[in-house]
Amino acid sequence: GAGVSQSPSNKVTEKGKDVELRCDPISGHTALYWYRQSLGQGLEFLIYFQGNSAPDKSGLPSDRFSAERTGGSVSTLTIQRTQQEDSAVYLCASSLASSGGVSYNEQFFGPGTRLTVL
Amino acid sequence: SQKIEQNSEALNIQEGKTATLTCNYTNYSPAYLQWYRQDPGRGPVFLLLIRENEKEKRKERLKVTFDTTLKQSLFHITASQPADSATYLCALPLDSNYQLIWGAGTKLIIKP
Repeated sequence: GAGVSQSPSNKVTEKGKDVELRCDPISGHTALYWYRQSLGQGLEFLIYFQGNSAPDKSGLPSDRFSAERTGGSVSTLTIQRTQQEDSAVYLCASSLASSGGVSYNEQFFGPGTRLTVL
Repeated sequence: SQKIEQNSEALNIQEGKTATLTCNYTNYSPAYLQWYRQDPGRGPVFLLLIRENEKEKRKERLKVTFDTTLKQSLFHITASQPADSATYLCALPLDSNYQLIWGAGTKLIIKP
C-alpha cells in the first residue's frame, strides 16, 4: 500500500511569511509525529497526535508553530512569520496505535519537506 | 536528561568487510532501542528493534547488540556492500514510550 506522503517536497519562502506543510499518514495508523531535522543533526521531536487524544505539543519550539490533524488522518504543520532558523527538513511519521503500556511500534516516515527561509 | 551519542565522523569500510556502528546513551536504560537507515533526501527507514532483555538481534546480514551495563548498542553489517552506504540512526524512547529521541546518525561509506 501507499506509504507516508508529504507535500510540498521543497518550499522556499521569504522571512516573515507563513508556510503550511502537509502529511498524509499510512491508512489505519492512528499515531502521527512531526520532526525537524537540521543538517548533520538528529531528529528533533515537534508534536505527536494519537487518535482523538489531545496532541503532545511539548516539542514545538515557539508559538509560531502549530499543527492540526483533521479526521484522524491528514495533518498540517503551520509555521507563522518564518525565520531563517526555521530552515530545515520537516519529517512526518506514522505508526500503529500505542495505547498504554510499552509501544515498540516502528515509525514509518515520509520523504520530508525541505524548507528554506531566505 | 537522556542523550544519545553516535560517531559523527563518517565510517569508511571496504566492501565485504563487517561494518560496526556505535550508539551510546548517557542516562537510564531504555525499554528498547531502534535502528533506522536514512538515505539522502529521504526519511528514515526502520531496520531493527532490540528490547532491554535481549542481548542480540539478527536480521539477514544485520546484527544489533544491547549492553545495558555499558549503555551501548552496536550495529553490525556483515559482508558489507556499496548499497549499504547510508546514514544509520539509533533511537530510544523517553519515559512516555511513544516519543523517541534520536542520535545524529553515522554516515557509512562502503567502498568497492
